[in-house]
Amino acid sequence: AQTVTQSQPEMSVQEAETVTLSCTYDTSENNYYLFWYKQPPSRQMILVIRQEAYKQQNATENRFSVNFQKAAKSFSLKISDSQLGDTAMYFCAFMNPGKLIFGTGTLLAVQP
Amino acid sequence: DVKVTQSSRYLVKRTGEKVFLECVQDMDHENMFWYRQDPGLGLRLIYFSYDVKMKEKGDIPEGYSVSREKKERFSLILESASTNQTSMYLCASTLLLSTDTQYFGPGTRLTVL
Repeated sequence: AQTVTQSQPEMSVQEAETVTLSCTYDTSENNYYLFWYKQPPSRQMILVIRQEAYKQQNATENRFSVNFQKAAKSFSLKISDSQLGDTAMYFCAFMNPGKLIFGTGTLLAVQP
Repeated sequence: DVKVTQSSRYLVKRTGEKVFLECVQDMDHENMFWYRQDPGLGLRLIYFSYDVKMKEKGDIPEGYSVSREKKERFSLILESASTNQTSMYLCASTLLLSTDTQYFGPGTRLTVL
């Protein structure tokens, strides 16, 4: 069965610093998609970044970037220059054709 | 921008009541989903629909049913609500099932007393 593991239930970072959220997954597939979603307190879940497994280059969206290690089945999210608005629950997700499989989430608190 | 709306942000129901949760998307997406979100468990798929009147069971369909009579609307039904169905329910939609980003609604926090 395909699984997604986020081993850090909670993390904290100072404003303007860099933080990395970990995610590992298990699959026998070769082509797939990976996502990081953000859920701010009492607000809608939104996409942060996505990675296609066939692309070797790591995806980047402004201050957000991923470190995708296909052989190790690792997909970590790096947030640079953390801002107070980055405080949220972050979910890593693996696309199994037809459905998303989510990790249990990492609650990130950005401290002023 | 894709917009996914859900009929209620908060809902309180009694055990045994029939509960309807409504979801509407405005981007003509073929595929719609219902998830349940619980602390420490992440999001779990209840049902999804890939076309009008078509549905597939997800990982935890027991105690739930769904209805999709129109492309833009996907309803989740709790036939007889129980306290263990107290949870946050999220609806999502996407254009392409295999590759596309899913867009989420704001969620409905359901409490069953």
